[in-house]
Amino acid sequence: EDQVTQSPEALRLQEGESSSLNCSYTVSGLRGLFWYRQDPGKGPEFLFTLYSAGEEKEKERLKATLTKKESFLHITAPKPEDSATYLCAVQAMGRRALTFGSGTRLQVQP
Amino acid sequence: NAGVTQTPKFQVLKTGQSMTLQCAQDMNHEYMSWYRQDPGMGLRLIHYSVGAGITDQGEVPNGYNVSRSTTEDFPLRLLSAAPSQTSVYFCASSYGAGRDGYEQYFGPGTRLTVT
Repeated sequence: EDQVTQSPEALRLQEGESSSLNCSYTVSGLRGLFWYRQDPGKGPEFLFTLYSAGEEKEKERLKATLTKKESFLHITAPKPEDSATYLCAVQAMGRRALTFGSGTRLQVQP
Repeated sequence: NAGVTQTPKFQVLKTGQSMTLQCAQDMNHEYMSWYRQDPGMGLRLIHYSVGAGITDQGEVPNGYNVSRSTTEDFPLRLLSAAPSQTSVYFCASSYGAGRDGYEQYFGPGTRLTVT
């Protein structure tokens, strides 16, 4: 059974204080690992897909990395508008469905 | 493109009532799915479809029915609502092929309360 565990559950940062969110996973053959951002009262918004260990992707202040057991979402010099819940999901080879973690709720204070 | 749309945004039902949550996408995506999101439990897959006329069960299908008569629409039916179905429901779609075709795009959600 595929499993995704995200940590921490919640994170409070000061504006400009860089940090990382963790996504640990077990899957029977990884096809892809996905990161989403979710704002309160809205649907998840796609950020990145990572396919193989060593791969990195960047978007503004966010950088996602992947190893064989976990992925990190690095947030550099965050701003209050980066406050949201960040979700991680995995897709196994041969399957269409995604398995989601329960998310990390990030709050960035000015 | 409107992307993925869902109606209604909010709904209150009494126990035993039935209703249909609507989902539509205009991206010509083959794969569509329904999730529920509950506090501390993440998104859980209810049902999914890989194309018109083809549906299958996800992780938590009990109490829900789906059908897919067109590529665009994927309604979710609650036959007899129960308080345990109080949740936020999200519809999602993806192209479903190719290297970058499995990214799912989500609708805005329907917040359902069953009393």
